[in-house]
Amino acid sequence: ETGVTQSPTHLIKTRGQQVTLRCSSQSGHNTVSWYQQALGQGPQFIFQYYREEENGRGNFPPRFSGLQFPNYSSELNVNALELDDSALYLCASRNQGGNEQFFGPGTRLTVL
Amino acid sequence: GENVEQHPSTLSVQEGDSAVIKCTYSDSASNYFPWYKQELGKGPQLIIDIRSNVGEKKDQRIAVTLNKTAKHFSLHITETQPEDSAVYFCAATVSGGYQKVTFGTGTKLQVIP
Repeated sequence: ETGVTQSPTHLIKTRGQQVTLRCSSQSGHNTVSWYQQALGQGPQFIFQYYREEENGRGNFPPRFSGLQFPNYSSELNVNALELDDSALYLCASRNQGGNEQFFGPGTRLTVL
Repeated sequence: GENVEQHPSTLSVQEGDSAVIKCTYSDSASNYFPWYKQELGKGPQLIIDIRSNVGEKKDQRIAVTLNKTAKHFSLHITETQPEDSAVYFCAATVSGGYQKVTFGTGTKLQVIP
């Protein structure tokens, strides 16, 4: 069974740029959620995708957007990067009918 | 919205002692409470969870208790080992159209050999 994988592991961008982060869900999982984890904080829910549709969103502006593909992999896109977007971005997958979700190792984004 | 408070923020124990981490939540609709362990440079790892219709759950050295009336739940680790050193997060989840998960702020546990 393959776990959740994310790419890239690290990324450095400058303010105003755009970034795309990628996630492959655990085998058999059809629901993907994205989280932002600032240094020293707990993960904050960004949004969730199921059947290629966003079906839940936290308190994040529209410049945070996503996609889910037929193979259940997912992308997180962030436009007009701000310094405060620097964080660890985590992807988690689960089956729609289950509660347990499993996290990937994260992508560390630094905005200069 | 849901608010999850977690205490303490740091905890140091001697190897072999017990560690207890406590969380409170505000949304009575929360019905699933997972606990995660996060090691440096890694994503959170699910270590134990409890559903709202259960008061206590145990898995070897780890146990979780839930008091729905008081809206608090706790993680208990017995016979701590150095490899238990990590940051632990509690979370409260409302399961519905989508799973709305709110995390606590984390507890850094240090087990001293």
